[in-house]
Amino acid sequence: RKEVEQDPGPFNVPEGATVAFNCTYSNSASQSFFWYRQDCRKEPKLLMSVYSSGNEDGRFTAQLNRASQYISLLIRDSKLSDSATYLCVVETRSNFGNEKLTFGTGTRLTIIP
Amino acid sequence: GAVVSQHPSRVICKSGTSVKIECRSLDFQATTMFWYRQFPKQSLMLMATSNEGSKATYEQGVEKDKFLINHASLTLSTLTVTSAHPEDSSFYICSASAFARETQYFGPGTRLLVL
Repeated sequence: RKEVEQDPGPFNVPEGATVAFNCTYSNSASQSFFWYRQDCRKEPKLLMSVYSSGNEDGRFTAQLNRASQYISLLIRDSKLSDSATYLCVVETRSNFGNEKLTFGTGTRLTIIP
Repeated sequence: GAVVSQHPSRVICKSGTSVKIECRSLDFQATTMFWYRQFPKQSLMLMATSNEGSKATYEQGVEKDKFLINHASLTLSTLTVTSAHPEDSSFYICSASAFARETQYFGPGTRLLVL
């Protein structure tokens, strides 16, 4: 089983629609959780951190359910510029004691005009 | 946010040659730098973690003698792919953080193609 699992998509949605991504993780000792965005052939960029209480940043809402080991991202009123691959990322402590980020394979989103 | 650069952005080399990739933190001192590799349509995979002034710690399955990492200063880490082969062709991305639990800032990546 992969440490971080996401539906690879692609998700093709019309502009203005609401889209939701889900992610599950296997390590119950994971400490921090993030959504990153990666554009084609570019480096990943931090979109937002994810907290159990849920957090919102403009059109983006992220939620964490530690009991189910489940993370979600909701994008409202989607824009053409939201087209990208969204990476679910989990931070755990490695065997060496360092903090380590584990990336999901990403969910590809295309917003259609 | 903080700026991390990588050089070169793209490199094409012959099989058997060695390739050095530089990762620099431009506006902060990075005590920890990370090296990732991403094959097409796959996730970023952590290769190794390096702390300034000490040896890098490698993830399971990553050959430390093939992927040499040097983190000699607080603003520079290098990854050398020794005797590169076509299967080493990938997107190599570094990240840097000021302290062990601080946010990682990613470099723009280096595309390596080994012929």
